[in-house]
Amino acid sequence: EDQVTQSPEALRLQEGESSSLNCSYTVSGLRGLFWYRQDPGKGPEFLFTLYSAGEEKEKERLKATLTKKESFLHITAPKPEDSATYLCAVLGAGSYQLTFGKGTKLSVIP
Amino acid sequence: DVKVTQSSRYLVKRTGEKVFLECVQDMDHENMFWYRQDPGLGLRLIYFSYDVKMKEKGDIPEGYSVSREKKERFSLILESASTNQTSMYLCASRTRVGEQYFGPGTRLTVT
Repeated sequence: EDQVTQSPEALRLQEGESSSLNCSYTVSGLRGLFWYRQDPGKGPEFLFTLYSAGEEKEKERLKATLTKKESFLHITAPKPEDSATYLCAVLGAGSYQLTFGKGTKLSVIP
Repeated sequence: DVKVTQSSRYLVKRTGEKVFLECVQDMDHENMFWYRQDPGLGLRLIYFSYDVKMKEKGDIPEGYSVSREKKERFSLILESASTNQTSMYLCASRTRVGEQYFGPGTRLTVT
């Protein structure tokens, strides 16, 4: 059974204070690892797909990296508008459905 | 850009009513999904469909059914709404490489 654990559950940062969110996973045959951003009361917004260990993707202040056991979402010099819940999900070789973590709620304080 | 739309952002229904939630995607994706999201429980898969007229149960199908008559449209049906079905309902469609795109969500309240 595929599993995803995200940590921390919640993170408060001062504006400009860089940090990382963690997504640990176990999956039989990784077909893809996905990061999403979710604002309150809205559907998750797709951010990145990572397919193999060593791969990195960047978008504005966000950078996602992947190893064989975990993924990190690095946030550089965050702004208050980066406040959201960030979700991680994996798709395994033997599965039709994504397995989601519970998310990390990020708050960036001005 | 991929677009997934849902018929309502907010919905209030009474216990016992039949409820229809509609979802439409414009990217010709074969795979479509219905989730519910509740605080502390995360996203839970209700049903999914990998082709027209095909459907598979997810993790929590009880009390729900689905319909997919056309490729772009996937409907979730609550046969007899109950208060424990009050939730945020999210539809998604997925590319063949696994990238999944969500709609804006429907906040359903059953009173």
